[in-house]
Amino acid sequence: AQSVAQPEDQVNVAEGNPLTVKCTYSVSGNPYLFWYVQYPNRGLQFLLKYITGDNLVKGSYGFEAEFNKSQTSFHLKKPSALVSDSALYFCAVRVGSGNTGKLIFGQGTTLQVKP
Amino acid sequence: EAGVAQSPRYKIIEKRQSVAFWCNPISGHATLYWYQQILGQGPKLLIQFQNNGVVDDSQLPKDRFSAERLKGVDSTLKIQPAKLEDSAVYLCASSSGQGAYTQYFGPGTRLTVL
Repeated sequence: AQSVAQPEDQVNVAEGNPLTVKCTYSVSGNPYLFWYVQYPNRGLQFLLKYITGDNLVKGSYGFEAEFNKSQTSFHLKKPSALVSDSALYFCAVRVGSGNTGKLIFGQGTTLQVKP
Repeated sequence: EAGVAQSPRYKIIEKRQSVAFWCNPISGHATLYWYQQILGQGPKLLIQFQNNGVVDDSQLPKDRFSAERLKGVDSTLKIQPAKLEDSAVYLCASSSGQGAYTQYFGPGTRLTVL
């Protein structure tokens, strides 16, 4: 079955330290992978995506993600965390093709950045 | 450009009542999605439209949920009658249908069924 897993419900990090939010996937074929962030009472905001090419993808707000095909992972990273990065983060994979494709989301990881 | 608009932002109803949510996608986006996000879970796709046609409604509880996108732009999602377990955030998203099909989300409607 095609799926996405975010193994950590919550990640705690001190401001200024690097952060990693983990994501693994299980799909057939080449994956399209996405990260979204959700702030309280807000919709999901697109951060970045991997389609093809360079395994290190750069996105909004200083975030980046590393695609690792052998480990079927797409971890979200940031070199120096900010308190304002505290939010709920979702990894997603696109399944299907063309206009019939859809996103499957992980359960989400709450990132808590402490001053 | 304007983002995805949704209304209302919050709705409280009694079980067995009906409710409707409205979504206006990003201008020019042919594909529109409705998701249900239950607290503590990731969004789950309910229905996907391509212009005014349904592409995927496999996870839509059709005995109580319905959706339409009559002119290929705005969309309405309806629940009738509502159950307690329908309490969730209902998210609308749209995509241009090109490239990686990145979806852009609206702010959502938080539904509480009492």
